[in-house]
Amino acid sequence: DAGVIQSPRHEVTEMGQEVTLRCKPISGHNSLFWYRQTMMRGLELLIYFNNNVPIDDSGMPEDRFSAKMPNASFSTLKIQPSEPRDSAVYFCASSFLSGTSDEQFFGPGTRLTVL
Amino acid sequence: GNSVTQMEGPVTLSEEAFLTINCTYTATGYPSLFWYVQYPGEGLQLLLKATKADDKGSNKGFEATYRKETTSFHLEKGSVQVSDSAVYFCALRSNSGYALNFGKGTSLLVTP
Repeated sequence: DAGVIQSPRHEVTEMGQEVTLRCKPISGHNSLFWYRQTMMRGLELLIYFNNNVPIDDSGMPEDRFSAKMPNASFSTLKIQPSEPRDSAVYFCASSFLSGTSDEQFFGPGTRLTVL
Repeated sequence: GNSVTQMEGPVTLSEEAFLTINCTYTATGYPSLFWYVQYPGEGLQLLLKATKADDKGSNKGFEATYRKETTSFHLEKGSVQVSDSAVYFCALRSNSGYALNFGKGTSLLVTP
């Protein structure tokens, strides 16, 4: 199994530009999570999907952030317009959630730098 | 709300030393507790977990016991190796949802 795949691994952009981060979860998993990691705030949950439906987006910082999961094998996190304070590592994780299983498998992350 | 507090790092130890990383939590009900490890340049990996009081999770020589009376889940290893150098995250999942609440992470550096 290839594990959770994220692209790009690194992204450098200028303030005001649109940024799209991509995630391919592990095949067969039914849940997907987007996290943001910064030195100041640690690891924060932004949003999670179950069976492609957003369940909890209370962690999305503001309207500039949006996430979609059009099918079970692909998700995007979009920032428009981007700001320097969005600079962070963004992780995608997937899981097969059941009564006895809840392990989340993380991708390698996308390091975003907004100048 | 739910929260996790873990000791601040960095922690620097010599090879074969004993490791303890403290973790305490605040949650309603009976959460599940986890330790994840992040090696440089990689995503987080599950290290061990415990789902009810007095359970002990263990993996790769690491262990942690779910202590409800002290709301703690301290990570221990009897003899660390250089390859254990990483950032360790304590996390909880409430019994009413699937999202994880993470601590801020503790960086461990093991020197030869």
